[in-house]
Amino acid sequence: DVKVTQSSRYLVKRTGEKVFLECVQDMDHENMFWYRQDPGLGLRLIYFSYDVKMKEKGDIPEGYSVSREKKERFSLILESASTNQTSMYLCASSFFANEKLFFGSGTQLSVL
Amino acid sequence: SQELEQSPQSLIVQEGKNLTINCTSSKTLYGLYWYKQKYGEGLIFLMMLQKGGEEKSHEKITAKLDEKKQQSSLHITASQPSHAGIYLCGADGNTDKLIFGTGTRLQVFP
Repeated sequence: DVKVTQSSRYLVKRTGEKVFLECVQDMDHENMFWYRQDPGLGLRLIYFSYDVKMKEKGDIPEGYSVSREKKERFSLILESASTNQTSMYLCASSFFANEKLFFGSGTQLSVL
Repeated sequence: SQELEQSPQSLIVQEGKNLTINCTSSKTLYGLYWYKQKYGEGLIFLMMLQKGGEEKSHEKITAKLDEKKQQSSLHITASQPSHAGIYLCGADGNTDKLIFGTGTRLQVFP
């Protein structure tokens, strides 16, 4: 089975801190995605990556950046965390860009 | 841009009852995915529908795709507490990424 692992289930940070969310997949998938999930808004795509060192903005990239130095790892970075970035963050991967996604367990981030 | 609307937004049913969740797209559907999410966890893939009229079943869950109506439905027969969670539809709108509906929260009480 495909495994997508997110480094933390729960994270509490202070406003202004730099935050790293890590995601690792073990199926040699080309594509990796970062979503955030908020009540009433569903899943919104932040960034995605088709290949190592490649990244594309999703629907809500403001305040975020990403890094993909190795194929299996896709990191989401909050340069200066703000309270409106409190959310559930979900990482996903797939072999093809617009096909079935495999999701991690999610990271619930609280910014105080 | 394509949007997916799910209805109802939330559902509370008694154990043993049948229920249906709908997902309607603003544009042509090229593929439709259903996922389930336990509260506070990641999404688990349920089913994928690719052709108009296609219907798939897994245990007590059946999903159908009505291409002409740009709609998919998820039907649960004889609901159980284990069915509780958030159901999300995702669509391939012939772009390079999936988009998702806002989800339907299902509660099943004994």
